[in-house]
Amino acid sequence: NAGVTQTPKFRILKIGQSMTLQCTQDMNHNYMYWYRQDPGMGLKLIYYSVGAGITDKGEVPNGYNVSRSTTEDFPLRLELAAPSQTSVYFCASSATPGLVVRNYEQYFGPGTRLTVT
Amino acid sequence: DQQVKQNSPSLSVQEGRISILNCDYTNSMFDYFLWYKKYPAEGPTFLISISSIKDKNEDGRFTVFLNKSAKHLSLHIVPSQPGDSAVYFCAASAGGGNKLTFGTGTQLKVEL
Repeated sequence: NAGVTQTPKFRILKIGQSMTLQCTQDMNHNYMYWYRQDPGMGLKLIYYSVGAGITDKGEVPNGYNVSRSTTEDFPLRLELAAPSQTSVYFCASSATPGLVVRNYEQYFGPGTRLTVT
Repeated sequence: DQQVKQNSPSLSVQEGRISILNCDYTNSMFDYFLWYKKYPAEGPTFLISISSIKDKNEDGRFTVFLNKSAKHLSLHIVPSQPGDSAVYFCAASAGGGNKLTFGTGTQLKVEL
């Protein structure tokens, strides 16, 4: 199992450009998430999905869009890149919590370091 | 409003000694807590968790303690090893949901 994979690892964007950060998981997890981590800060939730076709906003969704057409893939789209979007982006996935076992463990990808100049 | 706080940005401990990392939270709806470990240029990896119905959970060298009345949890690592040097994040979840709120992290350095 590769777990959660993210591409690209690094990217430099000019202000106003757009790009898609790719995320794929092979654990058959229903739940997937996108976080950003700014220097010296914790991870902040951008968007999440509880299954194919279902997405919802997290804490910091402005400037981003997501889609979830399959269980495996959860791409994050930046339409008009701004310097404030310079950050490290992490994708994660988790199983659906069971009725008996409450398992909220999330599995993270290696991250994409994005710089907008 | 920082609902999960890790007030110590860094901690330095000698190899073989105990490392104690602390985390405070303000949201009384949090009922599940997790610790993640992160090495540079890698994603966070799950370490240990605890439900609010417990006050202690142990896994090998790692023990998490939860004090609900003080809204405080701590991670104990005994004995500390150089490979434990990493950033440790505390995270919390509320009401049966999978959305996690993370603290800002504590950089642990275990010295020889």
